[in-house]
Amino acid sequence: SSELTQDPAVSVALGQTVTITCQGDRVRSSYASWYQQRPGQAPVLVIYGQNKRPSGIPDRFSGSNSGDTASLTISGAQAEDEADYYCNCRDSSGFYLVFGGGTKLTVL
Amino acid sequence: EVEVVESGGGLVQPGESLRLSCAASGFPFRAYRMSWVRQVPGKGLEWVATIMQDGLDKYYVDSVKGRFIISRDNDKGSLSLQMNNLRVEDTAVYYCVRLSSYCTSGVCYDALHVWGQGTMVTVSS
Repeated sequence: SSELTQDPAVSVALGQTVTITCQGDRVRSSYASWYQQRPGQAPVLVIYGQNKRPSGIPDRFSGSNSGDTASLTISGAQAEDEADYYCNCRDSSGFYLVFGGGTKLTVL
Repeated sequence: EVEVVESGGGLVQPGESLRLSCAASGFPFRAYRMSWVRQVPGKGLEWVATIMQDGLDKYYVDSVKGRFIISRDNDKGSLSLQMNNLRVEDTAVYYCVRLSSYCTSGVCYDALHVWGQGTMVTVSS
């Protein structure tokens, strides 16, 4: 299957740590990338590969891949981290992309 | 500044056509795969199409195969999406995206580093 499954919603208390997961067969053979999308804005890449962060992304964001599950961890969540988060992988052909359904993160 | 800017969205009726454009700047356009990703308002992201650096190889999600055509002009730094026989379910914000591909220790993966602000396409009678 080329599907990627994410929990629809997750919440975290301000300053605490939260992990968002992305499950699917494609994660076994290709690292997931993670995107943050705030309301009314375009998505932004926050994690790719084996825990790589683009320039400008705070180091409280980290990622990991294990078996069929990719994880995005936010250590010390801030109010501005409240957003939708999407994972994506390439499919078995190497040329098609698949997105997870997205996780809405609420910072309490 | 690295940037991609979409244009061409609008309101069309089912069965009509529309052409989206994307102007890239601040990076060597011809060195990168480029993609279109769409998002129905309030819903998730959906990959639509990817074109390789030389413009010869193109890949599409099944729902748009035979109706949409992705193309690029490397000399002008531009990407296009010709959308024909549009359906109501094609209504979405369409994003132009720069794609980077990596291979590390035998594991290959992609990352969508640069996103435009999106252009809205509405298909309605």
